Amino acid sequence: GQQVMQIPQYQHVQEGEDFTTYCNSSTTLSNIQWYKQRPGGHPVFLIQLVKSGEVKKQKRLTFQFGEAKKNSSLHITATQTTDVGTYFCAGNGGSQGNLIFGKGTKLSVKP
Amino acid sequence: DAGVIQSPRHEVTEMGQEVTLRCKPISGHNSLFWYRQTMMRGLELLIYFNNNVPIDDSGMPEDRFSAKMPNASFSTLKIQPSEPRDSAVYFCASSLQGAVGELFFGEGSRLTVL
Repeated sequence: GQQVMQIPQYQHVQEGEDFTTYCNSSTTLSNIQWYKQRPGGHPVFLIQLVKSGEVKKQKRLTFQFGEAKKNSSLHITATQTTDVGTYFCAGNGGSQGNLIFGKGTKLSVKP
Repeated sequence: DAGVIQSPRHEVTEMGQEVTLRCKPISGHNSLFWYRQTMMRGLELLIYFNNNVPIDDSGMPEDRFSAKMPNASFSTLKIQPSEPRDSAVYFCASSLQGAVGELFFGEGSRLTVL
């Protein structure tokens, strides 16, 4: 079945450094979504990418969808302590309409 | 506007007991998802309903797990009998457009089976 792999599993950065997490799907995706989960919280939607090669920005966050629609990345510029949490990608393969989550990248930021 | 409401927030039970988790999706949303989150396995999709009908239940671990959605405003996830390996946080999420649009997650139900 459809699998979504995400790396790295953990990332520790100094405040002000950049951060990137990568997501790869075993199958072509119709869309990909990104979520953030704060410690002890629930996943919160950040963005959805639909088009091949699409790039979207939200302030310091840049999201990219690969040309083949099988991979995606999230880049945070100049991390802040408020960026702490786990970032998940979630892919929709389209056949059943369900959303398969990667295992997430846990980001810690040292002030 | 109220978000997705789950109950109970925490449940501690003994092995062999029946557990029922409840979810009220956002009014007007036609899709509902149950996910289980553990450190080892991450967020696993258990079952997905669209217009109260189960569309994909391939993630339901085994016959001990069952889910129902009797109407558009209520869903239950039942585990009978429960086992220690069922300990996890169970999230319910709803959306307007299935997996095409944003999923709104509830706060989760943390289950501990002793």
